[in-house]
Amino acid sequence: DTAVSQTPKYLVTQMGNDKSIKCEQNLGHDTMYWYKQDSKKFLKIMFSYNNKELIINETVPNRFSPKSPDKAHLNLHINSLELGDSAVYFCASSQAQGRRNIQYFGAGTRLSVL
Amino acid sequence: AQKVTQAQTEISVVEKEDVTLDCVYETRDTTYYLFWYKQPPSGELVFLIRRNSFDEQNEISGRYSWNFQKSTSSFNFTITASQVVDSAVYFCALGDGSQGNLIFGKGTKLSVKP
Repeated sequence: DTAVSQTPKYLVTQMGNDKSIKCEQNLGHDTMYWYKQDSKKFLKIMFSYNNKELIINETVPNRFSPKSPDKAHLNLHINSLELGDSAVYFCASSQAQGRRNIQYFGAGTRLSVL
Repeated sequence: AQKVTQAQTEISVVEKEDVTLDCVYETRDTTYYLFWYKQPPSGELVFLIRRNSFDEQNEISGRYSWNFQKSTSSFNFTITASQVVDSAVYFCALGDGSQGNLIFGKGTKLSVKP
């Protein structure tokens, strides 16, 4: 059973469209995250959610919005997609909030904006 | 500042050679956590190890070993008798403060040739 699963694995879309990426974890973890990996492989935190509350919101455009219907899910909605949004997006989860916690990652979603 | 530096962008070795991946970190915290992740060509991020700042004992797991040196702010990773399956991008990361997101280095791409 996959611990952290993301769908879709690949997403190709046109500029200006709205899209969502889904993430689910079956580890019973309290905290979930979204990271962005750019074309140079650099990974950077976008958001994290702890018990359905947003606790980190890095300086990402407000076109990106995380939505958590329950603590096992953290979906990423992106409005008005731009070419620069092309990247790999990783969902992760950890048992609790805090720097000591191991984060387990999904397989990533490769987003291509044409 | 909280920062992780992986100065080696790419390393290429021949199978069975030993290889060391360097990681240097900067943090203002007295208690902190360091991590290594592996990203194989398939793209997922795989957790390898977590180390806390108050335990300087080196760790060995099979062909993998980690050398943590507080005096030089380094947390280096050695693969002994490398294999083709070790080919991947390896990331060193620092757990950031109390919010817990990971600060990643830029990664080192390791290519092991047969």
